[in-house]
Amino acid sequence: GAVVSQHPSRVICKSGTSVKIECRSLDFQATTMFWYRQFPKQSLMLMATSNEGSKATYEQGVEKDKFLINHASLTLSTLTVTSAHPEDSSFYICSASVGGYQPQHFGDGTRLSIL
Amino acid sequence: DQQVKQNSPSLSVQEGRISILNCDYTNSMFDYFLWYKKYPAEGPTFLISISSIKDKNEDGRFTVFLNKSAKHLSLHIVPSQPGDSAVYFCAASVGMRFGAGTRLTVKP
Repeated sequence: GAVVSQHPSRVICKSGTSVKIECRSLDFQATTMFWYRQFPKQSLMLMATSNEGSKATYEQGVEKDKFLINHASLTLSTLTVTSAHPEDSSFYICSASVGGYQPQHFGDGTRLSIL
Repeated sequence: DQQVKQNSPSLSVQEGRISILNCDYTNSMFDYFLWYKKYPAEGPTFLISISSIKDKNEDGRFTVFLNKSAKHLSLHIVPSQPGDSAVYFCAASVGMRFGAGTRLTVKP
């Protein structure tokens, strides 16, 4: 089946640093990639949707200058958490889709801990 | 704004019996629904989907039912197996909104 690789799986860093998370579709071309954030025992909250070659569409309440999303190719999207603070600590997960009504394929997530 | 709701955080069933997971939505514009299964420390994996033009879709032990008038869908797993124990998320199109998930435990 389709494989999505997300890296790194875990990050621990100091407050104020920027963290980049990569999401790669390994065996298919993803026209659309999604970034989610999940708090403990809560749902996956959609942060933004990105289409290859265009700017990401952010959900209401998500700071686009805080969470930079780049979808430069059909197989790679990156999420950069800029100047991270402890409240940014969370589980971030990406997914990729060939578009339309096709199911998303998820990465295994990144556990971000900001000290 | 929780447009997709899974009101049961957990469900426990005996092996061999039926598991019924429920999901409600509020946005009548949603026209495609999916169920995902998630094991700990892994990303969700696609399980089954249904278009709003249908009211039932079946794939092996898994059947999804859609009641558009009630804005309700359900996932039936029969017979349930211990390996089905996981968190199940329903999702709706138009931005891929997810419910909060239901943790299914199938006891041997």
